[in-house]
Amino acid sequence: GENVEQHPSTLSVQEGDSAVIKCTYSDSASNYFPWYKQELGKRPQLIIDIRSNVGEKKDQRIAVTLNKTAKHFSLHITETQPEDSAVYFCAARLLSGGYQKVTFGTGTKLQVIP
Amino acid sequence: NAGVTQTPKFQVLKTGQSMTLQCAQDMNHNSMYWYRQDPGMGLRLIYYSASEGTTDKGEVPNGYNVSRLNKREFSLRLESAAPSQTSVYFCASSEWVAAFFGQGTRLTVV
Repeated sequence: GENVEQHPSTLSVQEGDSAVIKCTYSDSASNYFPWYKQELGKRPQLIIDIRSNVGEKKDQRIAVTLNKTAKHFSLHITETQPEDSAVYFCAARLLSGGYQKVTFGTGTKLQVIP
Repeated sequence: NAGVTQTPKFQVLKTGQSMTLQCAQDMNHNSMYWYRQDPGMGLRLIYYSASEGTTDKGEVPNGYNVSRLNKREFSLRLESAAPSQTSVYFCASSEWVAAFFGQGTRLTVV
């Protein structure tokens, strides 16, 4: 099965700085990589995703990069703001036997210091 | 369009009691999941259902059972609750895009 590792587990940055969260996956058959943001006491919500046929995707201050050869992908947040403080999860989707399964990383708690 | 709906939102059980967490999605997704999230921890997969009529164990299935009642509904049952099952439980569903989560059930076993 798929295994997703996520680093770092906690990250503190000054407001306005950039934040980078990295994930690696084990199964080269995984082909879709979403990122979730979970605010305190709320459900995880999708913020950006990338498919395996794309190397980079950007949405305003958020970007995700994918290196299929190395089997790792990263979330980049630029010009961080206090409202970016949350726990971020990466995930990898594997298609197996015609079915799909999503495996999550262990999460990164991001703190943006005003 | 409600997305993924979980009930109840909060529950307190005594050790040994049983209960069923309900989950329903209206997005016509084939895959559904149950996760638990302990304080400060990530999402651990309990069970998942790749399609109607199929269920498979995830990372932490002990003490739980599931039923995929139909395409919309996927329930999680605790037959004899234990304090170690105190957690927040999330149901999720997905198709060919990312998983969508329910609002969570905060379960306390005393």
